[in-house]
Amino acid sequence: EAQVTQNPRYLITVTGKKLTVTCSQNMNHEYMSWYRQDPGLGLRQIYYSMNVEVTDKGDVPEGYKVSRKEKRNFPLILESPSPNQTSLYFCASSAQESNTEAFFGQGTRLTVV
Amino acid sequence: AQTVTQSQPEMSVQEAETVTLSCTYDTSESDYYLFWYKQPPSRQMILVIRQEAYKQQNATENRFSVNFQKAAKSFSLKISDSQLGDAAMYFCAYRLRPSGSRLTFGEGTQLTVNP
Repeated sequence: EAQVTQNPRYLITVTGKKLTVTCSQNMNHEYMSWYRQDPGLGLRQIYYSMNVEVTDKGDVPEGYKVSRKEKRNFPLILESPSPNQTSLYFCASSAQESNTEAFFGQGTRLTVV
Repeated sequence: AQTVTQSQPEMSVQEAETVTLSCTYDTSESDYYLFWYKQPPSRQMILVIRQEAYKQQNATENRFSVNFQKAAKSFSLKISDSQLGDAAMYFCAYRLRPSGSRLTFGEGTQLTVNP
């Protein structure tokens, strides 16, 4: 089954404690992205990757890091989380052809206290 | 930069009735895609319908159809014969062609379906 898998689905952490949210896709997609969803703001892109070792900033990259060492994985790293990073996070992947839809993971609800 | 605006934070409809969700966008590009995504309480993002900007014909998917007005930069979603399962947050989104990665989303419209 084609899917994007994020882990964990829920996470509560304290300010400053480094964390990683994992994302993996089994569709051999070139493109992968991270979004955060906040009430009244919709989804905003944090970072994206066009292929292995190729990443770039989205609209709200501050406080986040990513890496793309393998095509299937695209982890999101918060090296020093702050309460304003409390949000719902989505990983998405899509194929290089522009008419293909994006596939989303199940979402990760992060709370930073 | 492209922007997408959904001016209706909340909408409600009676079961079996028709409802239209509004979306406007701003872009200087001529070749792009527009999407409507549904997000039920499970949080899963589900593609409802897709429209290619170069196509004049409005897209339809069963009870879902769009009214795409390219000159006005408007992309509304019509849901006919509304069902309880249609209750969800709906997001309008834009993607430039040929870039396959970046989606720009609107703020979302929370749809309630009343029995």
